Amino acid sequence: EPEVTQTPSHQVTQMGQEVILRCVPISNHLYFYWYRQILGQKVEFLVSFYNNEISEKSEIFDDQFSVERPDGSNFTLKIRSTKLEDSAMYFCASSESLAGGQGEQFFGPGTRLTVL
Amino acid sequence: QQQVKQSPQSLIVQKGGISIINCAYENTAFDYFPWYQQFPGKGPALLIAIRPDVSEKKEGRFTISFNKSAKQFSLHIMDSQPGDSATYFCAASIWDTDKLIFGTGTRLQVFP
Repeated sequence: EPEVTQTPSHQVTQMGQEVILRCVPISNHLYFYWYRQILGQKVEFLVSFYNNEISEKSEIFDDQFSVERPDGSNFTLKIRSTKLEDSAMYFCASSESLAGGQGEQFFGPGTRLTVL
Repeated sequence: QQQVKQSPQSLIVQKGGISIINCAYENTAFDYFPWYQQFPGKGPALLIAIRPDVSEKKEGRFTISFNKSAKQFSLHIMDSQPGDSATYFCAASIWDTDKLIFGTGTRLQVFP
């Protein structure tokens, strides 16, 4: 069964450092997402990406964040200068179509980011 | 207005019992309501979803009940099993948008 994969599973970084979280969405999917989940809290939408551009982003997704699809398979989330409050589990998701349509979002296993 | 409120925060059920998790929303533009199941160390996985044109949807032991006038929807797990022990999130979305708005989650524990 096709699945979304994410690397690394755990990333530890120092405050102020840049991190890149990587995702390989399901191959025939067209819509890509990043969500985050602070420990013990709900899953929060960060950004959606379609046709090589951001289609929607949340208030959390400020200038410190960027996304990219550098090739036909990878989808990355970059945090330029990490803060302590960026510590969370980051989930990548992909879907064939929009969430509000018939598009089930398939989530990856997540990358746990710890900022020290 | 974009929030989805979920209760209870945690739930303990005996094997064979019924687990009921409730969610409420304010935004009447929401028209897609999925439930996600998350096991420790894994990402959320879609369990079942409903649209507001129906009041109930059943898939196996899992049923969503939807009350449009009350702006509430709930997940019923019949004959709960220890393997159902997980965190359950309700979510909502608006047609033709990308993002899912998640509830705060319910940690379900089913004891034998």
